[in-house]
Amino acid sequence: NAGVTQTPKFRVLKTGQSMTLLCAQDMNHEYMYWYRQDPGMGLRLIHYSVGEGTTAKGEVPDGYNVSRLKKQNFLLGLESAAPSQTSVYFCASSYEGIQPQHFGDGTRLSIL
Amino acid sequence: AQSVTQLDSHVSVSEGTPVLLRCNYSSSYSPSLFWYVQHPNKGLQLLLKYTSAATLVKGINGFEAEFKKSETSFHLTKPSAHMSDAAEYFCVVSDPSGGSNYKLTFGKGTLLTVNP
Repeated sequence: NAGVTQTPKFRVLKTGQSMTLLCAQDMNHEYMYWYRQDPGMGLRLIHYSVGEGTTAKGEVPDGYNVSRLKKQNFLLGLESAAPSQTSVYFCASSYEGIQPQHFGDGTRLSIL
Repeated sequence: AQSVTQLDSHVSVSEGTPVLLRCNYSSSYSPSLFWYVQHPNKGLQLLLKYTSAATLVKGINGFEAEFKKSETSFHLTKPSAHMSDAAEYFCVVSDPSGGSNYKLTFGKGTLLTVNP
């Protein structure tokens, strides 16, 4: 049982490049989330989705876009990467509003 | 508004000695509280959760936490540390007062080091 799978695991980008991070879950969860983790900051919510076709902004949404075209997938896009977006990105999912959230292993993104 | 304060950024213990990781929270409602563990280069794994049932919550790997409303605390303990417990631990609160019980607020983390 895979749970939450994030692709890719590592990526290095140049400033101004674009990319998409993919999150896939096989638990039939309605809710999905994207977080970023920075040293000494804990995890901060970027965007989330409460169901297929819906998305909403979290705490730090600027510079990111998301899409939830299929229930099992949640995509995070960076249109024009900036060095401030160097971080570890985590995807999570949960069954409706019921906790706990299940996390992927993260995507380590460096922007030069 | 909800917030979480983990009182120690780094805790170091010897193998076989007790572990105490401290967490205070602020919430305008009856919160749900969680402890997650993160091993190096891994995602977060749920250790335990409090959701207004018993105030002493038992989790995986011998960890437990006690919800103390009067002190607004949710400290994590383990009687005897094992080398495999070395990781970063996050205290997390979910406050449904805003109509969104799925939004989590994370503490900044406590790095636990276990010395042989």
